[in-house]
Amino acid sequence: DGGITQSPKYLFRKEGQNVTLSCEQNLNHDAMYWYRQDPGQGLRLIYYSQIVNDFQKGDIAEGYSVSREKKESFPLTVTSAQKNPTAFYLCASSILATNEQFFGPGTRLTVL
Amino acid sequence: AQSVTQLGSHVSVSEGALVLLRCNYSSSVPPYLFWYVQYPNQGLQLLLKYTTGATLVKGINGFEAEFKKSETSFHLTKPAAHMSDAAEYFCAAGRGGYQKVTFGIGTKLQVIP
Repeated sequence: DGGITQSPKYLFRKEGQNVTLSCEQNLNHDAMYWYRQDPGQGLRLIYYSQIVNDFQKGDIAEGYSVSREKKESFPLTVTSAQKNPTAFYLCASSILATNEQFFGPGTRLTVL
Repeated sequence: AQSVTQLGSHVSVSEGALVLLRCNYSSSVPPYLFWYVQYPNQGLQLLLKYTTGATLVKGINGFEAEFKKSETSFHLTKPAAHMSDAAEYFCAAGRGGYQKVTFGIGTKLQVIP
């Protein structure tokens, strides 16, 4: 079955540590996205990539980094510079024609 | 910049009652419009979408939405709420191509037995 996988589902890290969240898709979509979700704030775009080896900052990119070395993969690193990293992170990919987004199951990151 | 407004961050309905979740977009050019549903600790799932053609769009789980250009609205409805409809619903707008999608803030639907 085609879809998007995110791992792990739950992640715990100590303050000051970098952590990388995985996102893989087998839908053959060109575009991929990372969103952060906090209670009452909807989805906020962190980074997005429309093509391999290229990506753009979203609305809240500070403290995050990404790479897009393969079409199928778009990992997100939450760095120690991110002031409040505890949140639910969602990865998505989309059809360029309509921007219809397909979401992964999410990763809940808790920084202790 | 495009914006999407969802009126009511929390909506409560009785089981069997009509569900109406409101969404308005701001754009001089009608965008592509989407409704997504999210259950706790899960990703978003597409309920329905409007791209072109018929303005009344039917989706999964008995939901439908009507695109009204004159009102810049895309409200989501379901004739009779079921307990399993309790979730958070997001309206979104996009333009296709290399444009970002804009999401509304979300509406949490509570279904009362």
